[in-house]
Amino acid sequence: EVQLVQSGAEVKKPGESLRISCKGSEYSFATYWIGWVRQMPGKGLEWMGIIYPGDSDTRYSPSFQGRVTISADKSISTAYLHWSSLKASDTAMYYCARTSGSYSNWFDPWGQGTLVTVSS
Amino acid sequence: DIQMTQSPSSLSASVGDRVTITCRASQGISNSLAWYQQKPGKAPKLLLYAASRLESGVPSRFSGSGSGTDYTLTISSLQPEDFATYYCQQYYSTSITFGQGTRLEIK
Repeated sequence: EVQLVQSGAEVKKPGESLRISCKGSEYSFATYWIGWVRQMPGKGLEWMGIIYPGDSDTRYSPSFQGRVTISADKSISTAYLHWSSLKASDTAMYYCARTSGSYSNWFDPWGQGTLVTVSS
Repeated sequence: DIQMTQSPSSLSASVGDRVTITCRASQGISNSLAWYQQKPGKAPKLLLYAASRLESGVPSRFSGSGSGTDYTLTISSLQPEDFATYYCQQYYSTSITFGQGTRLEIK
């Protein structure tokens, strides 16, 4: 079964850095795009960006460009989402999800989500 | 970015009801549309893609239709497990966008 498993919940202070992870299994990780989606408390889904682990080609939503960094290590089938300086407004659930092949496509499967809480 | 507008934002219905949710794109998206179901505390689950193609394992009471800018998700006979929030997503543009969601509640 194709699966994405994300790292655990994080509690951080404003200004701190953070990297969360998403590990794929049971498929060729390098050959499928992995996207990141934010869901703020009680709100809808927002596409943040996407990476092709095979060559680390990365695209960002204009809303998130410069605020986060997406990376991947295909040798360990893991994608990452990184913040250099967190804000309280980064408090949200973050999901990774695999596209069905091409860059702009539907997402399936999804990781279980990583809850990030930023509070002083 | 292509804006995706779902209607209604919330909906109350009973078990056995037929329900339709609409998603309108700000420009034509050539059937490049997916529908997801999300239950509280869970990740979204893919229901349909390419506007009308049912994902494997999804019950046949779910169906999708539409073209151009207007698309619909229909649940033919609501079951207790269908009460959730539903999102549409366009992938016509390289900047992917979601609808704001439709919360389906028990009447």
